[in-house]
Parts: sequence; C-alpha cells; structure tokens
Amino acid sequence: SQTIHQWPATLVQPVGSPLSLECTVEGTSNPNLYWYRQAAGRGLQLLFYSVGIGQISSEVPQNLSASRPQDRQFILSSKKLLLSDSGFYLCAWSGVSGELFFGEGSRLTVL
Amino acid sequence: AQTVTQSQPEMSVQEAETVTLSCTYDTSESNYYLFWYKQPPSRQMILVIRQEAYKQQNATENRFSVNFQKAAKSFSLKISDSQLGDTAMYFCAFMKQGGSEKLVFGKGTKLTVNP
Repeated sequence: SQTIHQWPATLVQPVGSPLSLECTVEGTSNPNLYWYRQAAGRGLQLLFYSVGIGQISSEVPQNLSASRPQDRQFILSSKKLLLSDSGFYLCAWSGVSGELFFGEGSRLTVL
Repeated sequence: AQTVTQSQPEMSVQEAETVTLSCTYDTSESNYYLFWYKQPPSRQMILVIRQEAYKQQNATENRFSVNFQKAAKSFSLKISDSQLGDTAMYFCAFMKQGGSEKLVFGKGTKLTVNP
C-alpha cells in the first residue's frame, strides 16, 4: 500500500534562517506531488506541485522553493524565512482517481 | 478560476444525531471531482468522500453521504449517527478533471460533536 511521510513534524526557526521540509512517498511510482500551506484559521493554499523529477510549478510567488530530486521525494526550502512563513505545511500525492493523500504535516513557527 | 465556498464556519451536533455541512462551488467546467476532507485535531487531512460530476448518484461511505446538485453547484455532506470522533474541521474541495489535478479548497467548517 502507498504511504507518505513528511518531516520534521514541528520546527521553530528564527527569522532569516533557512528551511528544509522533506516528503517521501512509498508504494507508488511517478506520483504527482504537492505542497500546501495552511495558515491559522484558514483553508489550504497550494504552493507547489510536481508531475515528475525536476518538474516544479509554483502557484504563489514567495521566498519558498521546491525541488524533486528523486521520483518519490519532494522538498520544500527557503534560504531566509519570514515571519509570514509560519504555518502548517502539508505534502500530498494524487491517486489514480484524482484524490489527494496527505502526509502528517509539519508545523513551522518563525520567531 | 474555480472557487469553493463553505458558508458555515462552525457547527455543533449532539452525539448520534445527523448533521449536514454545506458547500457551493463555482466553475465553468463540465468534468470535475468534488471531495470532502476531514482534519481532526491531529491535523492530518483524511479523505472522507469523493464524487465524480458525471455521476448522478450521490456518493456514500458508511455514515457519510453527499447531496450533489450539479445544476445548483451544491455539494453538501451529511453525517449520520454522529460520533465524538467526527469532531474535526471539514473541507470541501474541487478538482478539474485532467491537467495537473490541483485541488481548490473551501475555508472549512469546524464541527463539534457533543456528548
């Protein structure tokens, strides 16, 4: 069966520090992968999606970036975090019937 | 662009009773999918139910069912025999069929099941 994991689960970082959130999927090949952000009290905002290795599409211009170095690995990064980057980040992959399956989430607090 | 609206920010229901969460959407697409996701306090998003727009029959999953009204662009979720474990945020989502399969989410409804 397919599983998705992301880490770290919780992260507290100072403003201006770098960020790396990692997501891996097991049990499937060539999945579409997504990074969403959920700010407090709000819905989910799509940040990036990828349909294959090295293929990244950005939905929202910001100081975050994403990379897909391997088929089942998706990384969210920043060189310098802003206070507004705080939130709950969710990685997801899409199944054959279109539904998304989400990881456990990573809570980022920028101080 | 597609939009999804959930007009009820918060709802509550007594255990064992039935509750309906509302969702409307706006699209010019003919082929699409609609979803309800549940986000419990643990924060992991869990797929509850899925509906293909071309299907007239409403989807059901155990105690969860939908009322899909395509002409009215309405997609409500009914939870029967509510349980304490149903307490969560519920998100309605839309996805155009084909393309990169990007989900558009509503802002969510916070459901509390009271004992």
